[in-house]
Amino acid sequence: GAVVSQHPSWVICKSGTSVKIECRSLDFQATTMFWYRQFPKQSLMLMATSNEGSKATYEQGVEKDKFLINHASLTLSTLTVTSAHPEDSSFYICSATLQDRPSYEQYFGPGTRLTVT
Amino acid sequence: AQTVTQSQPEMSVQEAETVTLSCTYDTSESDYYLFWYKQPPSRQMILVIRQEAYKQQNATENRFSVNFQKAAKSFSLKISDSQLGDAAMYFCAYSSSGTYKYIFGTGTRLKVLA
Repeated sequence: GAVVSQHPSWVICKSGTSVKIECRSLDFQATTMFWYRQFPKQSLMLMATSNEGSKATYEQGVEKDKFLINHASLTLSTLTVTSAHPEDSSFYICSATLQDRPSYEQYFGPGTRLTVT
Repeated sequence: AQTVTQSQPEMSVQEAETVTLSCTYDTSESDYYLFWYKQPPSRQMILVIRQEAYKQQNATENRFSVNFQKAAKSFSLKISDSQLGDAAMYFCAYSSSGTYKYIFGTGTRLKVLA
């Protein structure tokens, strides 16, 4: 149980275009979803926290207008990278937490590799 | 603010041997959770083990165990009988009670030598 999927797993887009990444909790309702960015050989950097029906809370230094997050339901959150540039190329990972689970464990998606040309 | 430190960028261990990965953290909170995650080349984050700060007993999961020293703010991971499949990046993570947010360490790359 507690499976999180991401789509697409890999995407290439041209500079100036926008790309949307979906994060779904497949077998549970997620109280909160998180979006991370990971550069090669580095740790995960939290970008934002989203709760269903609420505006996302962005970490310091993350551009809200560039990284649009929509948490439309308890099973779906989307990250849209707007006007993408080569420096936005990275590995994006989402995670979700289970409602009423006291362990505070996050369940991670498999990640999406974004390449901006 | 809380911080998590993994001082070993890379570790190596012979197959079937035991290795310990270090993690220290800094917090003023008394209630929190600590985790070790494994990230293999596929980059899927896999939970290895979890420790609740209020529990004195060290968590164990098969070949994986932790040495949780709350006063010293230390949370090391011991892998016994290392296997080739254990080769991966290992991240230590801290979560405050009530926030669900993780603070990750910088990671330790574990190599398992045949």
